[in-house]
Amino acid sequence: GENVEQHPSTLSVQEGDSAVIKCTYSDSASNYFPWYKQELGKGPQLIIDIRSNVGEKKDQRIAVTLNKTAKHFSLHITETQPEDSAVYFCAVPSGGGADGLTFGKGTHLIIQP
Amino acid sequence: DVKVTQSSRYLVKRTGEKVFLECVQDMDHENMFWYRQDPGLGLRLIYFSYDVKMKEKGDIPEGYSVSREKKERFSLILESASTNQTSMYLCASSFHRMSGYTFGSGTRLTVV
Repeated sequence: GENVEQHPSTLSVQEGDSAVIKCTYSDSASNYFPWYKQELGKGPQLIIDIRSNVGEKKDQRIAVTLNKTAKHFSLHITETQPEDSAVYFCAVPSGGGADGLTFGKGTHLIIQP
Repeated sequence: DVKVTQSSRYLVKRTGEKVFLECVQDMDHENMFWYRQDPGLGLRLIYFSYDVKMKEKGDIPEGYSVSREKKERFSLILESASTNQTSMYLCASSFHRMSGYTFGSGTRLTVV
């Protein structure tokens, strides 16, 4: 099956600065790369996703970049705000003929005022 | 507002009990999933279903079973609860296999 590594596990940034979270995966056939945000007491929520026919996608302050050659993709959050504090998960298709997504272990993003 | 609803936010059960976790979605999604979430381990797939009465094992199916009698409802069953099944359980649904999931708010299960 797929193996997903997510780094860092914890990231603390000053409000207004940028944050970058990176995931690497093992299956070169993967072609769908979503990011989820989980706030305390809630289920994860899809915030952005990218498919393998594009290298970058933006939605206001968040963006995802994909490097298929190196098998990694990253979440970029600019002009961070207190409400960006949450746990962020990357995911890739489980692969090997299996359905479902395999998730990274998560990054706890802390926005310092 | 479309959503996935899990019947309980918190449950406390005794070792050996049979436990049912219910999940209902109102988006007419084909695919439904059950994950468990544990600190340091992230989300791990237990079972999924891509059609009524269909089910497939995920990465950690041991000790669990599922039921999907109607398209909108996907139930997770712990046949004989054990303390190592204490966890947060998350249900999700998706329109197709390569689209984003909508998650429920989760059920925090404690087995004593």
